[in-house]
Amino acid sequence: GNSVTQMEGPVTLSEEAFLTINCTYTATGYPSLFWYVQYPGEGLQLLLKATKADDKGSNKGFEATYRKETTSFHLEKGSVQVSDSAVYFCALISQGGSEKLVFGKGTKLTVNP
Amino acid sequence: AAGVIQSPRHLIKEKRETATLKCYPIPRHDTVYWYQQGPGQDPQFLISFYEKMQSDKGSIPDRFSAQQFSDYHSELNMSSLELGDSALYFCASSLNTYNEQFFGPGTRLTVL
Repeated sequence: GNSVTQMEGPVTLSEEAFLTINCTYTATGYPSLFWYVQYPGEGLQLLLKATKADDKGSNKGFEATYRKETTSFHLEKGSVQVSDSAVYFCALISQGGSEKLVFGKGTKLTVNP
Repeated sequence: AAGVIQSPRHLIKEKRETATLKCYPIPRHDTVYWYQQGPGQDPQFLISFYEKMQSDKGSIPDRFSAQQFSDYHSELNMSSLELGDSALYFCASSLNTYNEQFFGPGTRLTVL
């Protein structure tokens, strides 16, 4: 079946530090990959996406590259801010299979000033 | 830009009562999804609808039912509520299936 494994954390960083949250996946077919962010008390917001191998998704300084050879979609940001504190979910949709989003367990990020 | 609207935002019910959650998708989106998120958990897929027909089903209890109406809004009906049903319930919508899903703010259901 389809599954997503991500670094569970929690992750605590100082402002302006470099962020990496690892995400690997198992899927049949050719999945589309997503990162969602959930701020405290709020819903899930789509952060970025990639739909085919070697695609790079980017938004608000965050980036992730779809690596088919390593089945990975790691999230990176060069300089985090306090306002980036949230829970980050890696997710996939397997094209041609179930249309549901399959999520990783989430990684809680806390950025200190 | 218009977003997914969910109502109510908060709901408190007693055990064995019923609850109805409503979802209004982004205009022109034809697919609606329902997810359940327990405390500290990742969202779990319940059910989805495409063009008013059920299109996929996940781990939705038999006590729950859902439908999508002609105006594309959707309702999740939950009966014989149990303590374990306390969770955040998210609705998401997309333009066609297999595309990115946009989530609403969620309904926090508390069963006492």
